[in-house]
This record gives sequence, C-alpha cells and structure tokens, in this order.
Amino acid sequence: GDSVTQTEGQVALSEEDFLTIHCNYSASGYPTLFWYVQYPGEGPQLLFRASRDKEKGSSRGFEATYDKGTTSFHLRKASVQESDSAVYYCALSSSSSFSKLVFGQGTSLSVVP
Amino acid sequence: EAAVTQSPRNKVAVTGGKVTLSCNQTNNHNNMYWYRQDTGHGLRLIHYSYGAGSTEKGDIPDGYKASRPSQENFSLILELATPSQTSVYFCASGDADGLGTQYFGPGTRLLVL
Repeated sequence: GDSVTQTEGQVALSEEDFLTIHCNYSASGYPTLFWYVQYPGEGPQLLFRASRDKEKGSSRGFEATYDKGTTSFHLRKASVQESDSAVYYCALSSSSSFSKLVFGQGTSLSVVP
Repeated sequence: EAAVTQSPRNKVAVTGGKVTLSCNQTNNHNNMYWYRQDTGHGLRLIHYSYGAGSTEKGDIPDGYKASRPSQENFSLILELATPSQTSVYFCASGDADGLGTQYFGPGTRLLVL
C-alpha cells in the first residue's frame, strides 16, 4: 500500500539555522503531496501541497519540491524562527484513493532563541 | 471564522460509559473524517464519510461507530469507552479540490478513567 516516511522524529535547531525535514513516499502514479503543520493545542493545518513532478510548493518561507525520480518531498526553510516550533507532517493522497490521506509519523521541530 | 469545529473540546468519561464527539463543518465538503492522535502513532484514521448517510471504516475502527446525519455534521460514538481510547481526536473535512486536501478541526481531548 501507499506509505510516507519521515526520517527525522525530532529536530532541535537554533534561530536562523537552516531546516531540512526529509520525506519519502511510496505510491503508484502521481500522488498529491502535502506538508501539514501542527502547533501545540491545535489541529494540523495545511502548509502547502504539490501535485506534479518538479512542482514547488511554498508558504511562510517553507518550501518543498515534488521529485518523482527520488520519490521525495523534502521540507526546507533557510532561516527558522522560534515561532516555527511545531510538528510537521508529510502526507499523500493517491490516485487510487484520493479521498484518504496517508500521513508520515511526524517530525517535532524545536527552535531555541 | 473556523470552518471545522468540534465539541466538546475536553471530555472526561468513565470506563463503560457512552461518549459522543461532534464535528461541524461549514466548508460544504462532501467528505469528513475522524482521526485519533497518540504519541508515537501520529494520525490514524478511524472512520470517514462520503456524504450524508454514509460511513466507512478507516484503519482502526474497532470500538468506534460513526454517524453522518447531514452534510455539515459527523459524530464519533464510543458505545463502551475504555481507557485505551484516551487520546486526542481530530475531525477533518475535504475533497472540494479533487486533490484530497483535508482541513482539520481543533481537536477533542478525551480522558477515559
């Protein structure tokens, strides 16, 4: 079945550091790929999505590029802030079951001043 | 204005009691979903619905029932609550864009004693 793997479970950074959270997927065809962010005490909210190979999604300084060749959708930000501390989920919806999302395990990001 | 709302936001229940979690959406989305979130497990799909009157089993449906009486409302029912159902529950709606994007509510924190 479809799956999403996030390599990092927890990431600790200082403000202005560069962030990379790795996301690899397994699915047939061209799934839509998502990044969600969840702040403490809130529900996950859509950060951005991409649905075609080489498409870049971006929002709030975060970005990721859909790469079908490496089946990846890595999240990056050039300079993190303390307010970026949250849990980040990579997810996909596949052509075989577009109505359901498959989530990665989540990456908890902690940014200290 | 919040498009997906959940009630109650916090609930304490006794083992063997009946618990109903409610969700309302104003997105006019056909699909609605119930997830639970536990440390170490991320987001897991319990039940979902394609529209009023329909409910489908997700990945972990045992011990839960769902009800979709209208486009706007989707309930999760625990007929005989157990301590293992202590968790944070999220409702989501989606499918207006054909890409599978889901929009989440703020969550309900349930403690079963």
